[in-house]
Amino acid sequence: QVQLVQSGAEVKKPGASVKVSCRTSGYTFTSNDICWVRQVTGQGLEWMGWMNPNSGYTAYAQKFLGRVTMTRDTSISTAYMELSSLRSDDTAVYYCARLLGYCSGGLCFEYFQHWGRGTLVTVSS
Amino acid sequence: SSELTQDPAVSVALGQTVRITCQGDSLRSYYASWYQQKPGQAPVLVIYGENNRPSGIPDRFSGSTSGNTAYLTITGAQAEDEADYYCSCRDRSGKHFVFGTGTKVTV
Repeated sequence: QVQLVQSGAEVKKPGASVKVSCRTSGYTFTSNDICWVRQVTGQGLEWMGWMNPNSGYTAYAQKFLGRVTMTRDTSISTAYMELSSLRSDDTAVYYCARLLGYCSGGLCFEYFQHWGRGTLVTVSS
Repeated sequence: SSELTQDPAVSVALGQTVRITCQGDSLRSYYASWYQQKPGQAPVLVIYGENNRPSGIPDRFSGSTSGNTAYLTITGAQAEDEADYYCSCRDRSGKHFVFGTGTKVTV
């Protein structure tokens, strides 16, 4: 079955960087985009960006431009999200998700079918 | 701020029907998908496409769209449906995605 296994919790100091991994299995890694979503405790889901594992193409939400980098290692079917210049308000659970889509009757539909279990990143001095 | 707006909270009696709304201009161009999230867990896809349920999602969950509003309906709500629900679709630019503000459903 499809699995997205994320790396463990991290504690970082303000100004540092964190790199979260998302190891996939059960499907062809290069077939679907991987997205990253974060959730501050008690708040909603926030889309951070996506990456095409085949080409390496990335697109980031405006809010994270200049601070986030999404990469991949196709040899081990793993995606990475690195966030730099961490602040206390970056304390959140970070999720990776597999984006699927299809077209029917001239319409196209996209959705996040599979999710990792999340990685808690705590930023504290 | 999110481009998709949801009511913060709704309550429903056990066995009754509840409809959750998601409003935004991008819904005129893109279909929403819906996610259920329980405390301490990752989101779970419950509705995608015009009205499709992934395997394992009960048929009491259904989706629809009208104009700039998407709806998630739970017909015959069960105690286990108590959760936060989020809609999602591409944003107005079409280049990114956005999530709704979320609705807490109390059964």
